[in-house]
Amino acid sequence: AQTVTQSQPEMSVQEAETVTLSCTYDTSESDYYLFWYKQPPSRQMILVIRQEAYKQQNATENRFSVNFQKAAKSFSLKISDSQLGDAAMYFCAYRRRGGGLNTGTASKLTFGTGTRLQVTL
Amino acid sequence: DVKVTQSSRYLVKRTGEKVFLECVQDMDHENMFWYRQDPGLGLRLIYFSYDVKMKEKGDIPEGYSVSREKKERFSLILESASTNQTSMYLCASSATDRGRRGYTFGSGTRLTVV
Repeated sequence: AQTVTQSQPEMSVQEAETVTLSCTYDTSESDYYLFWYKQPPSRQMILVIRQEAYKQQNATENRFSVNFQKAAKSFSLKISDSQLGDAAMYFCAYRRRGGGLNTGTASKLTFGTGTRLQVTL
Repeated sequence: DVKVTQSSRYLVKRTGEKVFLECVQDMDHENMFWYRQDPGLGLRLIYFSYDVKMKEKGDIPEGYSVSREKKERFSLILESASTNQTSMYLCASSATDRGRRGYTFGSGTRLTVV
């Protein structure tokens, strides 16, 4: 079974600084997707960034980027120029790449335990 | 704006009651999911459905059942609520797309069983 580990329950960063959230995962699959989700106090889960395992290039979305190390099974999220609105719970998630019409099982997301990010002035 | 709607934001129920949590999506997604979220444990999958009337157990199905009679609606049922089912419940949906996209989530239902 796949597992996702986030070893940092809480992190803090000053506004405008850079912070990196860690995530490791365990899988025997070679083809999969990794995600970072953000959950602000409103509780609405928001997709931040996605990485496809077969792509070597690290994904980037504006101030958010990942460091994907497939051999090490590591998937960290870097937030640059942190803003007060970045304060939230961040969850790392894994999803196997599916095949065929019935991708029910492959559509399951496995989440880590989350990292609460505080942004200070 | 596409969305996943959970019928209640907060819910308080008594021990032993039968509880229904409703989730509706307007994106014509094939897959729907119920997770529970607890501090320090992250999100854990209770049940999911990949088609109408189809369901599969997730990681923690005990004490729960589900119903999917229509494509857009996925209900989570607590047959006899217990205090250890006090939690945040999140519904999500996704298209059948070989996994490349993530989920669209609802805003969650915080259930308290007293």
